[in-house]
Amino acid sequence: KAGVTQTPRYLIKTRGQQVTLSCSPISGHRSVSWYQQTPGQGLQFLFEYFSETQRNKGNFPGRFSGRQFSNSRSEMNVSTLELGDSALYLCASSWVGGLNTEAFFGQGTRLTVV
Amino acid sequence: SQQGEEDPQALSIQEGENATMNCSYKTSINNLQWYRQNSGRGLVHLILIRSNEREKHSGRLRVTLDTSKKSSSLLITASRAADTASYFCAPNQGGKLIFGQGTELSVKP
Repeated sequence: KAGVTQTPRYLIKTRGQQVTLSCSPISGHRSVSWYQQTPGQGLQFLFEYFSETQRNKGNFPGRFSGRQFSNSRSEMNVSTLELGDSALYLCASSWVGGLNTEAFFGQGTRLTVV
Repeated sequence: SQQGEEDPQALSIQEGENATMNCSYKTSINNLQWYRQNSGRGLVHLILIRSNEREKHSGRLRVTLDTSKKSSSLLITASRAADTASYFCAPNQGGKLIFGQGTELSVKP
């Protein structure tokens, strides 16, 4: 069974631009959650999508948004990029919502904002 | 706010020794998941333990959970150099996994 796939793996963007990251969950999993990892703040929860609906949200500004498609694939968008958005963005796939079953992570997308 | 706080922050042991990492959290949880991460790569899922469970095993891993003390521990027995990584506990609070800063484990051959 294929694992969680995140694309692209690496991305360099300029301040003020926007970026879209993609996450394909494990087949059959309906929950996708997103995390940001930085050296200073560690791993922080962004949001969770389940059955195309945002189920939960962390404390990030509105520049961070996401969506989930009917095939459970999810995208995360960051608009008006800031230098501080440079981070490793990880998505996790889970069988049910609320992360009540094992959450399996992808390899991440490393975003650098210059 | 951080929910899972790992202790110690860093641990260095010799191959063959056991490694114990502890985790404390602040509020009630649905479950608690342990992960391993190598050099800023993706997180590898180790074990999920539910709030009504006290202990779980998986190979050389043993996880305990004490909900009265709001704490969990991860024991790696007979460690190997390949176990060198950062280990995170992630309590599930209200449907969110809340990570601490992790424990950096170094296993010397």
